[in-house]
Amino acid sequence: GAGVSQSPRYKVTKRGQDVALRCDPISGHVSLYWYRQALGQGPEFLTYFNYEAQQDKSGLPNDRFSAERPEGSISTLTIQRTEQRDSAMYRCASSLEEGGGQPQHFGDGTRLSIL
Amino acid sequence: LAKTTQPISMDSYEGQEVNITCSHNNIATNDYITWYQQFPSQGPRFIIQGYKTKVTNEVASLFIPADRKSSTLSLPRVSLSDTAVYYCLTRDTGRRALTFGSGTRLQVQP
Repeated sequence: GAGVSQSPRYKVTKRGQDVALRCDPISGHVSLYWYRQALGQGPEFLTYFNYEAQQDKSGLPNDRFSAERPEGSISTLTIQRTEQRDSAMYRCASSLEEGGGQPQHFGDGTRLSIL
Repeated sequence: LAKTTQPISMDSYEGQEVNITCSHNNIATNDYITWYQQFPSQGPRFIIQGYKTKVTNEVASLFIPADRKSSTLSLPRVSLSDTAVYYCLTRDTGRRALTFGSGTRLQVQP
């Protein structure tokens, strides 16, 4: 497809389990962004990459959250030892490059529910 | 951290012009201001972006004053399908992280 693809669309897991959320950006897009969006709130920045290099991870809530993009394409956001407060919509976006007037294109998100 | 604020909600009628302002008092001097539209259960969708003065495309205009401490999204002649939440996106000075505004819920009535 031509857009940003995220999987799974929905993930329900028990507290304490690890989860991995996947983002497949638009082909050729250099920059990849992860956001978290609570119901009724705006997207909250988590981290972003240019190619395979993580540029800023200041938005990751704590050390249970990590992200990687090893080959500069697909990215995985991992949450270890999940807690109920991690329940949210996790959104990925990509852009042709960082800045330079290139807008971000968003995927449909992964809805994560921690029981 | 600087705050990026927007009105929580706005109401309008079909055919009217709607202006939504975002206040961002400490944005990076070399970065664009971007606006997104979001419908329920969907990801944000790009509307328009600008660096300074005025930008216009087929769906909206964006006004940015010289001090860049705010920006105003203008939607001409709104229709019912424009009912959505609108967000501005900026980058704070000295940071690489991006900040979405609090979002403005626009309700268009017939």
